[in-house]
Order: sequence, then structure tokens, then C-alpha cells
Amino acid sequence: GQQLNQSPQSMFIQEGEDVSMNCTSSSIFNTWLWYKQDPGEGPVLLIALYKAGELTSNGRLTAQFGITRKDSFLNISASIPSDVGIYFCAGMNYGGSQGNLIFGKGTKLSVKP
Amino acid sequence: DSGVTQTPKHLITATGQRVTLRCSPRSGDLSVYWYQQSLDQGLQFLIQYYNGEERAKGNILERFSAQQFPDLHSELNLSSLELGDSALYFCASSVGTGSFGYTFGSGTRLTVV
Repeated sequence: GQQLNQSPQSMFIQEGEDVSMNCTSSSIFNTWLWYKQDPGEGPVLLIALYKAGELTSNGRLTAQFGITRKDSFLNISASIPSDVGIYFCAGMNYGGSQGNLIFGKGTKLSVKP
Repeated sequence: DSGVTQTPKHLITATGQRVTLRCSPRSGDLSVYWYQQSLDQGLQFLIQYYNGEERAKGNILERFSAQQFPDLHSELNLSSLELGDSALYFCASSVGTGSFGYTFGSGTRLTVV
């Protein structure tokens, strides 16, 4: 089946630093999504991307849908302690009656104050 | 509060037993998805229902089954439980096929002892 490779697996950074993580796929998707999961909670949608080359921002977060439709990246600028959590990329090919998301294995972000 | 309600939040049971996890989707959402999250496998798609009908199946074991009722709530039944079934089980919902992303509940943590 489809696989998503997400990197890095974990990051330990200083507060105020910028963060970059990416996701690559062996096949194309027509939607890329980025989620954040806090401990004990379900994933929360951060950004959704629908078109190849699309660049979308949500506050300090910026994500891009790769031109090849096989990759996406997420940048967080000026990280703060509440950015701590696990970030997941997810790809979807919707159409017809189904639209299940395929998730990467996550990037665990730790921020040192 | 995401609007997706999952009960119970925690469940501890013995091997060989059967349990039922319940999910109430966000108001207006017709699709319900079940995901399993374990430490080494990440978020794995199990099954999707749309307006009462099964629409997609992922890596769901034969010992597991689900259904969506006329009021749109869904139940995931896990039987003949094994130690390896210990995981977080998430329910998510979306209006249609989820092209705008899913909304996740807080999950049920299942521990099989």
C-alpha cells in the first residue's frame, strides 16, 4: 500500500528557532494535510493543501504541496513551548465514495525554553 | 472540544475478552473513520462508514468489526483480544469524504492485560 516517509522522527530545538519537517510518498496524492497531536489528545488539523505548488500559512506555520504531488513540507517559525507535540503529515486521494487518510509516522518536536 | 465524542476514555481488559468502543461524530458529519495508533505503527486506518454504510476498509483484523447506526454514531467491536491490540483507538468524522480533513476525537486507550 501507499507509504509516507516523514522526517525527521524527532527534533529538539531552542525556543525561538525555526523548524522544518517534510513528508515524501512513493505515489501521488491530491490532498496533503498536516496535523498536530498533543499528549492524550487526538490529532488536530493545522493546514490543508489541495493543489500542487500551493503554499499556505496558518499563523507561524507554513506548508507547501510539492510540485510532483509526492511531497510536502511544514515550517514553524519562531517556535514557542506550546509547539511541543507530534506533527503528522497525511495524504489523501479522494473520489468516489472513499477518502481515507494515509498518515506519516510523525515528527516529535521538543522545545527547550 | 472537537465535537467528536469517544467513550470510554480508558479501558483495561483481559486477553480473550470483547470490548465495544463508541463514537458520536460531530453534528452534521456523515462519515466516521476508525484509526488505531500504536507506538511502532503510527496511525493506521481501520474502516470508514458513510451515512450508515461501510465505504472503505483498511488494515482491520477479522476479529474487529464496526457499524454506524441510523443516528450516525458508530461502534467498533474488538473481540478475542490479544496483548498486541493494546493501543489508542481514534474515531474521526467528516461531512463527506473528508477532502477538507477529518476531525478527531480524543481517543480510547485500550490496555489488554
